[in-house]
Amino acid sequence: SQQGEEDPQALSIQEGENATMNCSYKTSINNLQWYRQNSGRGLVHLILIRSNEREKHSGRLRVTLDTSKKSSSLLITASRAADTASYFCATPGHSGGYNKLIFGAGTRLAVHP
Amino acid sequence: KAGVTQTPRYLIKTRGQQVTLSCSPISGHRSVSWYQQTPGQGLQFLFEYFSETQRNKGNFPGRFSGRQFSNSRSEMNVSTLELGDSALYLCASSPHSGERGLSYEQYFGPGTRLTVT
Repeated sequence: SQQGEEDPQALSIQEGENATMNCSYKTSINNLQWYRQNSGRGLVHLILIRSNEREKHSGRLRVTLDTSKKSSSLLITASRAADTASYFCATPGHSGGYNKLIFGAGTRLAVHP
Repeated sequence: KAGVTQTPRYLIKTRGQQVTLSCSPISGHRSVSWYQQTPGQGLQFLFEYFSETQRNKGNFPGRFSGRQFSNSRSEMNVSTLELGDSALYLCASSPHSGERGLSYEQYFGPGTRLTVT
């Protein structure tokens, strides 16, 4: 079962624009992670935000977490063609497993030159 | 450090056969997880191993099994393959032993693309 649901499913923008992806989840969490996947390859960890953090930055990435709304957003500023990928949010398995990630369906981002 | 490696990268098998996929984690990582990715079901957790012990198992039939060796390398096996097993199988390792109900950043390999015909 999927814990996180991303919105939108697909996003198409021009280089230089900002891209915002949203993730909603169902149960309380200790942290939330975002990953990127290029064209059916392995996932790359982008950022982890803890439940007591509201916002976190990493380069051109900005992640927010609203635990009251059970939602998170990933903002990519000044997008580049190389940012074209699928982006997934991931939360800990709510059944209490160790190092178990539950992924959302992902947002497919296309950045056009 | 070298990243997570998975072998083989591509595999074609026939229904009814069995398959073994291999994963070598980043040196020093003792937690290894496996995920299945399909267009219909997305990314789904298969199992996680730490120090040769399976600590978690996802909701998959018993045809899916795995193990971890003393050097942290891991294998997963799928017996009696079905068409629906066609997927990208991803292995991930973590430097964290983890705590129940918590997850930490994981480092993924490139995956093994399995096609069942």
